[in-house]
Amino acid sequence: KAGVTQTPRYLIKTRGQQVTLSCSPISGHRSVSWYQQTPGQGLQFLFEYFSETQRNKGNFPGRFSGRQFSNSRSEMNVSTLELGDSALYLCASSLVSGYEQYFGPGTRLTVT
Amino acid sequence: AQTVTQSQPEMSVQEAETVTLSCTYDTSESDYYLFWYKQPPSRQMILVIRQEAYKQQNATENRFSVNFQKAAKSFSLKISDSQLGDAAMYFCAYRSSSDQTGANNLFFGTGTRLTVIP
Repeated sequence: KAGVTQTPRYLIKTRGQQVTLSCSPISGHRSVSWYQQTPGQGLQFLFEYFSETQRNKGNFPGRFSGRQFSNSRSEMNVSTLELGDSALYLCASSLVSGYEQYFGPGTRLTVT
Repeated sequence: AQTVTQSQPEMSVQEAETVTLSCTYDTSESDYYLFWYKQPPSRQMILVIRQEAYKQQNATENRFSVNFQKAAKSFSLKISDSQLGDAAMYFCAYRSSSDQTGANNLFFGTGTRLTVIP
């Protein structure tokens, strides 16, 4: 089976812009979680989607949003980018919510 | 909220030797899962091993094993016969076993960077 894929792998944006990141889970997996990784804050949970519904959300401002499609693919959107949003964004999929999570290679976002 | 602590920012080991990475956690729950993930320079997070809190037996996956001490809330990872490919950041993670909404995300420690010396 193909693993979790994330696109794009690298992205450079300007402060104030918005960005959309995409995640395709492992075939058959219905749960997708997103994490932000920064040197200062480490790995922090953003949100989880299961069957097109947000099940869980971390402590991030409303500028961070996401959605999941009927084929389980997920997107996350960050509006009004700030310098502090520069990070590696990791997507993880699991068979159903609560099962083991398998991670994608991440999207490296740089905000200038 | 659950917290996970990795007190060793960096560790090194000679190739073919054994190394132990430490992890402690804080929780009021009695049932949960613990994981070790490996993140090599490619940044891909790879699941190394998992442990269910209700199981007394320590998990083992080939050269990787854990020492799970539930009362002490300790979950260390032992890597035997270390190989150059083991060099990476290692993250300890906690997840609740509750099926309630809001319980399925992973809480990560700050990581331990492991260097393998040839």
